[in-house]
Amino acid sequence: EPEVTQTPSHQVTQMGQEVILRCVPISNHLYFYWYRQILGQKVEFLVSFYNNEISEKSEIFDDQFSVERPDGSNFTLKIRSTKLEDSAMYFCASSGEGTDTQYFGPGTRLTVL
Amino acid sequence: GDSVTQMEGPVTLSEEAFLTINCTYTATGYPSLFWYVQYPGEGLQLLLKATKADDKGSNKGFEATYRKETTSFHLEKGSVQVSDSAVYFCALSDGNTDKLIFGTGTRLQVFP
Repeated sequence: EPEVTQTPSHQVTQMGQEVILRCVPISNHLYFYWYRQILGQKVEFLVSFYNNEISEKSEIFDDQFSVERPDGSNFTLKIRSTKLEDSAMYFCASSGEGTDTQYFGPGTRLTVL
Repeated sequence: GDSVTQMEGPVTLSEEAFLTINCTYTATGYPSLFWYVQYPGEGLQLLLKATKADDKGSNKGFEATYRKETTSFHLEKGSVQVSDSAVYFCALSDGNTDKLIFGTGTRLQVFP
């Protein structure tokens, strides 16, 4: 069964450093998403991406965040200058044409020290 | 704005007990409703969904019925197992935007 994959599973970084979280969505999916879950809190939407551009973003997704689909398979989330409060689990998701069902990857746990 | 409210956990049950996890929603349109499950150390897995009023989603013995009149989508299972121990998230997608809106999650602990 096709699945969304994410790398790395755990990333530790120093405050102020740049991080790139990587995702490989399901191959025939066209809609891509990033969510985050701060420890013990609810899952929050960050951004959605379709046709090589952002279709929606939340208030959390400020200028420090960016997304890119650099090739036909990867979808990345970049945080330019990490802050302590960026520590969270980051989930990538994808969905296909004509459906609102999103399939999630296993997540990347980001720890900012 | 749209929102999802779930019952607070943890819910602690003995094996073979009946499970109900309450979920209610607020939405301006006609959302699709979802239950996702997060097992310890893992990501979110889609458990079931319903796209319109009176639809019943079901999977792995879990069921939830889309009730428009009570704006609810309660999750039920007749006989839980230890392996069902996880965090359960109710979510909605209103169709006008791309995003899923999640509830706070309910932790289920099942003991033998």
